[in-house]
Amino acid sequence: AQRVTQPEKLLSVFKGAPVELKCNYSYSGSPELFWYVQYSRQRLQLLLRHISRESIKGFTADLNKGETSFHLKKPFAQEEDSAMYYCALRRNNAGNMLTFGGGTRLMVKP
Amino acid sequence: GAVVSQHPSRVICKSGTSVKIECRSLDFQATTMFWYRQFPKQSLMLMATSNEGSKATYEQGVEKDKFLINHASLTLSTLTVTSAHPEDSSFYICSARVFVGGSWGYTFGSGTRLTVV
Repeated sequence: AQRVTQPEKLLSVFKGAPVELKCNYSYSGSPELFWYVQYSRQRLQLLLRHISRESIKGFTADLNKGETSFHLKKPFAQEEDSAMYYCALRRNNAGNMLTFGGGTRLMVKP
Repeated sequence: GAVVSQHPSRVICKSGTSVKIECRSLDFQATTMFWYRQFPKQSLMLMATSNEGSKATYEQGVEKDKFLINHASLTLSTLTVTSAHPEDSSFYICSARVFVGGSWGYTFGSGTRLTVV
């Protein structure tokens, strides 16, 4: 079965510092990976997905199949980036369900 | 676009009663919807997948007789927690599969916080 691991429950950085939220997965096939963000009192929303290869709000994530990782990075954190971040995986064979990691709370201090 | 409206946002009910949570797709047709449960400071756990016009598929360990899911139309899926008990208190989130930007993605409801007293 597939599994998504986010080793850090809480990540605290100062404004302007680089940030990296780690995500590792286990799945024998070729997965599709996502990052979702949940700002305070708001619903979960898509941040980015690996197939898009795009940068959203300054965040990027590269799928590393060798290391089975999909870490989320931003070179200069902003206070408005403070939120819960969830890494999620979708299997490539049927099954449209997402498997979520445990989430990482990012706190960006002024 | 692709908004999912979930109601109610909060509900408090007495132990033994049933509670219905609605999830509506406002500007698209949702053939597939998902129901998640989230405990405090934990991740989203998939409870079931509902497909319009057919029976829901429940994840292992989820009681289908306790968590009744109905997806009778392309814009509405409901989750009914029957004979609720305090341990059912949780945050329930629905999600719909949606085709946007040339690929399939997911849009989420705002969640329902259920408290059983």
